Amino acid sequence: GAVVSQHPSRVICKSGTSVKIECRSLDFQATTMFWYRQFPKQSLMLMATSNEGSKATYEQGVEKDKFLINHASLTLSTLTVTSAHPEDSSFYICSARDQGHTEAFFGQGTRLTVV
Amino acid sequence: QQQVKQSPQSLIVQKGGISIINCAYENTAFDYFPWYQQFPGKGPALLIAIRPDVSEKKEGRFTISFNKSAKQFSLHIMDSQPGDSATYFCAATSTGTASKLTFGTGTRLQVTL
Repeated sequence: GAVVSQHPSRVICKSGTSVKIECRSLDFQATTMFWYRQFPKQSLMLMATSNEGSKATYEQGVEKDKFLINHASLTLSTLTVTSAHPEDSSFYICSARDQGHTEAFFGQGTRLTVV
Repeated sequence: QQQVKQSPQSLIVQKGGISIINCAYENTAFDYFPWYQQFPGKGPALLIAIRPDVSEKKEGRFTISFNKSAKQFSLHIMDSQPGDSATYFCAATSTGTASKLTFGTGTRLQVTL
């Protein structure tokens, strides 16, 4: 199956700082990438969808100025959590899909802890 | 219309038994139904998927049964093993460039010795 690499797997940052999470498709061109947030023992909550070269489309209730998404190339998307607060602590997961394919492949996830 | 309902919330099965997880959807535009397996601290991994033109798909010990008229689909894990202990999510989407996955609420499976 296709490989999606997410980095870092864990990050601890101080409140008020920004943190960037990278999502790379290693063996295919990810024309569409999705970013999810997952709380403990809950399902995945879609935050935004990004297409290469276009602005991300955010789901209702997700602050686009706080969660900056960049999808500048067909293999890389980044999520930047700006001015992080403890309530932003969560498990963030990306997934990627190639054009013309329905299957979406997920990264390993990033555990963000804001202290 | 976008919901996918999943049950049970948790499931305990003895080693060698059959694990069955059920999902139901409402949106008739859905035409792709994947199942994901997620271990603690990891991202979901695609396990098996089905399209509505078939009623069953089998890959190894994993089988999806699909009932289009009832708008239901289920995952069967035959000969369940302790290594299968994980959280399973069903999902649904409609094929298309803007299609997003709608996830079920997840089932925590524990396979005991």
